[in-house]
Amino acid sequence: DAGVIQSPRHEVTEMGQEVTLRCKPISGHDYLFWYRQTMMRGLELLIYFNNNVPIDDSGMPEDRFSAKMPNASFSTLKIQPSEPRDSAVYFCASSLAHFETKNIQYFGAGTRLSVL
Amino acid sequence: AQTVTQSQPEMSVQEAETVTLSCTYDTSESNYYLFWYKQPPSRQMILVIRQEAYKQQNATENRFSVNFQKAAKSFSLKISDSQLGDTAMYFCAPQGGSEKLVFGKGTKLTVNP
Repeated sequence: DAGVIQSPRHEVTEMGQEVTLRCKPISGHDYLFWYRQTMMRGLELLIYFNNNVPIDDSGMPEDRFSAKMPNASFSTLKIQPSEPRDSAVYFCASSLAHFETKNIQYFGAGTRLSVL
Repeated sequence: AQTVTQSQPEMSVQEAETVTLSCTYDTSESNYYLFWYKQPPSRQMILVIRQEAYKQQNATENRFSVNFQKAAKSFSLKISDSQLGDTAMYFCAPQGGSEKLVFGKGTKLTVNP
């Protein structure tokens, strides 16, 4: 398997622009997670999905952030409008609810977002 | 809410020696999992080892082992025969029944030749 695939690897944008981050989970996985990593706050869970349904979005910082999972193989995290404080590395992870592999989250390589 | 404390922001060790990274956590869950992930300079998050809280036996994975003390809510990682490739940030992450991982602030480990 190719693992969790995120795109783009790097994104540089200007304040006020819309940013869309993309994630393809491991085939067959039924959980998908979005995390944000900054020096100040470390790794934070933003939102996670189970079978394409958002389960917990309590980590989403504000209404400028939205996430969707239209099907089992694709998810997006959108920021509109973007602000300099959104600059961070955004990770996507997926996992499978199976007794042997349950709870092990596999991470993508992350997207480094810079908002100027 | 779960909290995680990694009290050692930075550590260093000589190649081939042993190092232990500490982690304490707080949880109200009775059954849960605990994880150590490493993040090398490439920034990829890589699973190092997993412990199931209901198992008394400490998990091992080649040169990596844990010392899990459930009553004390302590979950330390021991790396034996350290290698240069072990240089990375190491994150402790307990997980409760909600599938959510809560990450500590991390320990930056440097392995010196």
